[in-house]
Amino acid sequence: GIQVEQSPPDLILQEGANSTLRCNFSDSVNNLQWFHQNPWGQLINLFYIPSGTKQNGRLSATTVATERYSLLYISSSQTTDSGVYFCAVGTGTASKLTFGTGTRLQVTL
Amino acid sequence: DAGVTQSPTHLIKTRGQQVTLRCSPKSGHDTVSWYQQALGQGPQFIFQYYEEEERQRGNFPDRFSGHQFPNYSSELNVNALLLGDSALYLCASSLNRPIFTYEQYFGPGTRLTVT
Repeated sequence: GIQVEQSPPDLILQEGANSTLRCNFSDSVNNLQWFHQNPWGQLINLFYIPSGTKQNGRLSATTVATERYSLLYISSSQTTDSGVYFCAVGTGTASKLTFGTGTRLQVTL
Repeated sequence: DAGVTQSPTHLIKTRGQQVTLRCSPKSGHDTVSWYQQALGQGPQFIFQYYEEEERQRGNFPDRFSGHQFPNYSSELNVNALLLGDSALYLCASSLNRPIFTYEQYFGPGTRLTVT
């Protein structure tokens, strides 16, 4: 099956700093989603981005499908950005998602 | 617009028992997928239901079974519980209109503890 790798595994930032999270995948995809998992376990949809670039406030994402990677940018980080960020991809028509191992982000004051 | 809901929030069971978890999809969605998330790991796909049938299954034993009802809600059943079944169980819903989007939306999860 498809492999999904995320880097870095852990990231500690001071409030106000910027960061880039990376997701590499091993095959063509027709679904790529970025999620933020809060401390209570809720997966919050950040972006649906199988290709191209999107922005939502301080967050933006870019997927280069031909090179099989996606990047999530967080600017001016806040303590509320802390948590685990997952990249998940899907192939074929059944839309099953395969998740990466996540990036654990801690934003300190 | 109602999001994905799951019940119960938490559950404690004993080894060997059976458990049923419930999920109601986001309004307008017709497809439900179930995932298991062990501590410190990413969610793992269990199975997906569409039109009341299991459409795809991940690498989980037959002890894991499911059902989808005509109103698109779904149940996940786990028989003969093992300690290793302790996890967060997540339900996701989507719309089977791939020409538009495959985006999935997740519920808050059910945290199952097996003792």
